[in-house]
Amino acid sequence: AQTVTQSQPEMSVQEAETVTLSCTYDTSENNYYLFWYKQPPSRQMILVIRQEAYKQQNATENRFSVNFQKAAKSFSLKISDSQLGDTAMYFCAFMKPPSGNTPLVFGKGTRLSVIA
Amino acid sequence: GAVVSQHPSRVICKSGTSVKIECRSLDFQATTMFWYRQFPKQSLMLMATSNEGSKATYEQGVEKDKFLINHASLTLSTLTVTSAHPEDSSFYICSANLLNTEAFFGQGTRLTVV
Repeated sequence: AQTVTQSQPEMSVQEAETVTLSCTYDTSENNYYLFWYKQPPSRQMILVIRQEAYKQQNATENRFSVNFQKAAKSFSLKISDSQLGDTAMYFCAFMKPPSGNTPLVFGKGTRLSVIA
Repeated sequence: GAVVSQHPSRVICKSGTSVKIECRSLDFQATTMFWYRQFPKQSLMLMATSNEGSKATYEQGVEKDKFLINHASLTLSTLTVTSAHPEDSSFYICSANLLNTEAFFGQGTRLTVV
């Protein structure tokens, strides 16, 4: 079974600074997807970024980028130029395609506070 | 992106009554939907997998008679909390996968049982 570990329960960062959230996972699969989801106080789950395991290039979305190390099974999220609106719970998640519909496996989350 | 709509967003009910939560995929068909429960400051815990036209698959420890799931069409799954008790108070979220490559979530339902 797949597992996802987020070892940082809480983090804080000054506005405009850069912060990195850690995530490791365990799987015997070779092909899979990894995600970072943001859950603000509204509790709506918002996709931040997605990485396909067969792609070596790290995914980027504006101020968000990942450092995907497949051999090390590591998938960290870097947030550049942090903004107050980035304050939220961040979940790392794993999906195993395409063997039918499979649910996401979530880490325990990291609560990020951006300080003015 | 794809849209999953969940209703209601908040509900308060009395102990012993039943509550139905709806999850709809608005612009795509979902043969499978997932129901999660989230306690305060914790991660999402998978409760069950809802399969269109067949029985739901429940995770270990989840009472299937307490949490009834019906997936009657390709765009609608419902979760009914039967004979609700205060310990059932929680945040419930549904999701559906698009092309098995990305998950989309409903807005969630905050259930309070008094």
